[in-house]
Amino acid sequence: NAGVMQNPRHLVRRRGQEARLRCSPMKGHSHVYWYRQLPEEGLKFMVYLQKENIIDESGMPKERFSAEFPKEGPSILRIQQVVRGDSAAYFCASSPGLGLAGSNEQFFGPGTRLTVL
Amino acid sequence: AQRVTQPEKLLSVFKGAPVELKCNYSYSGSPELFWYVQYSRQRLQLLLRHISRESIKGFTADLNKGETSFHLKKPFAQEEDSAMYYCALTPHSGGYQKVTFGTGTKLQVIP
Repeated sequence: NAGVMQNPRHLVRRRGQEARLRCSPMKGHSHVYWYRQLPEEGLKFMVYLQKENIIDESGMPKERFSAEFPKEGPSILRIQQVVRGDSAAYFCASSPGLGLAGSNEQFFGPGTRLTVL
Repeated sequence: AQRVTQPEKLLSVFKGAPVELKCNYSYSGSPELFWYVQYSRQRLQLLLRHISRESIKGFTADLNKGETSFHLKKPFAQEEDSAMYYCALTPHSGGYQKVTFGTGTKLQVIP
C-alpha cells in the first residue's frame, strides 16, 4: 500500500492564477480530509469528503476555495485567483471511515507546498 | 464544540532529560485522543492513541478526564525525538467524527 499520495509536492503560482492540488487516498479508504498549515502555525481543518459528497466544509473559506472527491480519481482542492495569503502547506489525510468508534486514525500525505508570488 | 490546546509552541530539553508535552482539551462528551508526530521533512504520522494505551518510542500519554488533559511524556529524551507534536481529539462514537488538532509543539532535544 503506497500510502496517501499528493501531487504536486511543490506548486508555485502567481497572484490571480488557479491552483489545483490532488490527493489519492490509501487503497480502501473512502474518506478524505484537507488541512492547511500556515507558516509557524498548526494544522487547520478545511474540508471532509466522502466519495461524491462534501460532508463538512466548515473550515473552508467561502470564496475561491472548492473541493471534490469524484467517484473515480483523486480528490481535488482547487483555489481560484490565488493571493499571497494562500501560501501554505496543504495536507490531505484519509481514513477507512468505518463509522465505528476507534477507527478515526487518519493517514497523512506528504503535503503540497503552495507558494504564491 | 471541540477544542484542543497545546500551550507551548516550543519546548527545548537536554538529551536524557524528561519530556512532557502538554495537551488540554474541551469536549462535553467522551473523546478519543491522539498524538501525531511530524519529523523534519516527513509526513505527519500517528504516535499513539489513548484507547490502545501503548507506549511508542518510549512515549506514553494518559487521559485525565478530571483535568481534561492528555499530556505526552517520556522519561529520557533522545535527539531523534526532535519533531513537531500535535495533540488531536475526536468524539468517541460512530458516524462522522471530525478530528480537531492542537496548534502543535515543537520539541527540540539539545545534545
